[in-house]
Amino acid sequence: GAGVSQTPSNKVTEKGKYVELRCDPISGHTALYWYRQSLGQGPEFLIYFQGTGAADDSGLPNDRFFAVRPEGSVSTLKIQRTERGDSAVYLCASSLKSYLPSTHEQFFGPGTRLTVL
Amino acid sequence: AQSVTQLDSHVSVSEGTPVLLRCNYSSSYSPSLFWYVQHPNKGLQLLLKYTSAATLVKGINGFEAEFKKSETSFHLTKPSAHMSDAAEYFCVAALLGRLYFGRGTQLTVWP
Repeated sequence: GAGVSQTPSNKVTEKGKYVELRCDPISGHTALYWYRQSLGQGPEFLIYFQGTGAADDSGLPNDRFFAVRPEGSVSTLKIQRTERGDSAVYLCASSLKSYLPSTHEQFFGPGTRLTVL
Repeated sequence: AQSVTQLDSHVSVSEGTPVLLRCNYSSSYSPSLFWYVQHPNKGLQLLLKYTSAATLVKGINGFEAEFKKSETSFHLTKPSAHMSDAAEYFCVAALLGRLYFGRGTQLTVWP
């Protein structure tokens, strides 16, 4: 059916507030990834899930960032005490498998544009 | 460690002329390499991928890329640019599930 969807498409918040960004992967895709794309840069890896567990969260910049995927499908990226430097497009992707081989195409959603005032 | 360097931040060509977008990679391992395209207000789309089979890889919309291990390069080419090719292009390396993106090359196509 549909591709990867992300909500909201745009989020404006104030410094210090808490935000949640949602990702609905393609049905049947067990691997889910979060990336952050700052203005003028390529996407940077944040975290990826294989099923319900975070297989690699080494890209999360600090402990204000957290992500969950409780049922192995939808994922939520949570940012506490937002800062102006968190402003970026947050991209979600999913694939059939995670790695080995590293050939499974990652399908990207349209992203959530987060603006922290 | 993986890194990807896109040698040009902007490339401008006239419609009907060849396109060359340059990419070099560095890796401790043999990487899987990809090119993704990002049109304004649209999601990233896979153009092509190299996974240690043929070194010349053909992708969608007439694009192709050649993996050259001796030069650690994976340049993207197209014989004849079309207006619809105007977009941002990312060279990407993959290792253990993670994608490592270059900074991107903005392609402008003049009529």
